[in-house]
Amino acid sequence: GNSVTQMEGPVTLSEEAFLTINCTYTATGYPSLFWYVQYPGEGLQLLLKATKADDKGSNKGFEATYRKETTSFHLEKGSVQVSDSAVYFCALSGISGYSTLTFGKGTMLLVSP
Amino acid sequence: KAGVTQTPRYLIKTRGQQVTLSCSPISGHRSVSWYQQTPGQGLQFLFEYFSETQRNKGNFPGRFSGRQFSNSRSEMNVSTLELGDSALYLCASSARTSGGGLNEQFFGPGTRLTVL
Repeated sequence: GNSVTQMEGPVTLSEEAFLTINCTYTATGYPSLFWYVQYPGEGLQLLLKATKADDKGSNKGFEATYRKETTSFHLEKGSVQVSDSAVYFCALSGISGYSTLTFGKGTMLLVSP
Repeated sequence: KAGVTQTPRYLIKTRGQQVTLSCSPISGHRSVSWYQQTPGQGLQFLFEYFSETQRNKGNFPGRFSGRQFSNSRSEMNVSTLELGDSALYLCASSARTSGGGLNEQFFGPGTRLTVL
């Protein structure tokens, strides 16, 4: 079945540091890939997505590239802010479009001033 | 456009009781999915409803059930509560594509259920 593995947290960074959160997946076919973010006390918000190999999703300075050859979708940001502190979830959906989401365990990011 | 709303936001129950959670999707969205979030298991898919019919179901016992009404609002019910049912229950709504798949899922703030 489908599965998503992402790096354990928490990831602790200083403001303006470079961020990478690793995500790899196992799935049949060509799933769609997503990064969601969860701020304290809130639900999940879609951060970015990619629907086919070599697509790059980007939003709010965050980027991730769909790498079929390495089955990866690593999240990056060049300069993090304190307001980026949250839990980040990598997810995939099945080959039949945007179907049921399979999530990774989540990675907490803590950014200090 | 109003977002996904879930009620109640917090709930405390005791073992053996049952509970009903409610989700109102974004206007125009006909698909509602439910997820359970726990520290140990992370986010797990419970079920998805579309046009009052359950379309997909995750690997949960029969104590977990749901339904969807004609206005697309959805409820999920958990009977005979166990301590392990303590979790954040998230609802997500989306519009299905013409090909049958789902568009982006929009999540509500969740209902925090504590079972004592």
